[in-house]
Amino acid sequence: QVQLQESGPGLVKPSETLSLTCAVSGFSISSGSYWAWIRQPPGKGLEWIGSIYSSGTAYYNSSLENRVSMSIDTSKSQFSLSLTSVAAADTAIYFCSRHPHRISAHVNWGQGTLVTVSS
Amino acid sequence: IQMTQSPSTLPASIGDRVTITCRASQNIGRWLAWYQQKPGKAPKLLIYDASSLESGVPSRFSGSGSGTDFTLTISSLQPDDFASYYCQQYNTYSVTFGPGTKVHVK
Repeated sequence: QVQLQESGPGLVKPSETLSLTCAVSGFSISSGSYWAWIRQPPGKGLEWIGSIYSSGTAYYNSSLENRVSMSIDTSKSQFSLSLTSVAAADTAIYFCSRHPHRISAHVNWGQGTLVTVSS
Repeated sequence: IQMTQSPSTLPASIGDRVTITCRASQNIGRWLAWYQQKPGKAPKLLIYDASSLESGVPSRFSGSGSGTDFTLTISSLQPDDFASYYCQQYNTYSVTFGPGTKVHVK
């Protein structure tokens, strides 16, 4: 079955760049699905960050698009998130997910990884 | 598109019929999903396209609605159903989630 696994530093200093990777297994990352990042501050709701297609075309939440970029490496079956100039408000659990079409529900999710922004 | 949910918390007992409401700030057709989330876990897709049951999800879960008003119903609450529930619109590529409803023991 489809499995997604997030990885990356659990602690990032303010003003630095948050970088996370999502490894995909059990499903071809080149299959035509979309791959997304979603975050959840502790005890709060869910916020979509952005999505990327296997071709590398990405689109982002307008509230974050000046700080976020995503990339995909089909040879390694993984995709990545970069969020610059982080602040305490970026502290959250970061999930990666798959949605089969550009306009569709998110069918598969990683377990999430907590990233804390603190000096 | 802004999403609202009510109630924010819902005390309930085993066997209860539970209804959660989600409202969109503009017409989203039937492009709505419902997710269940338990503490420390990722959200799990329950319902997509407003009323389609995701594979493997128990039939006690159902969804309805279109346009701006949607409902998630659990016909007979089971112990495994105590969790938070989120709606999500995907009418546009910029998806948004509701604030969530926590179903807890009465």
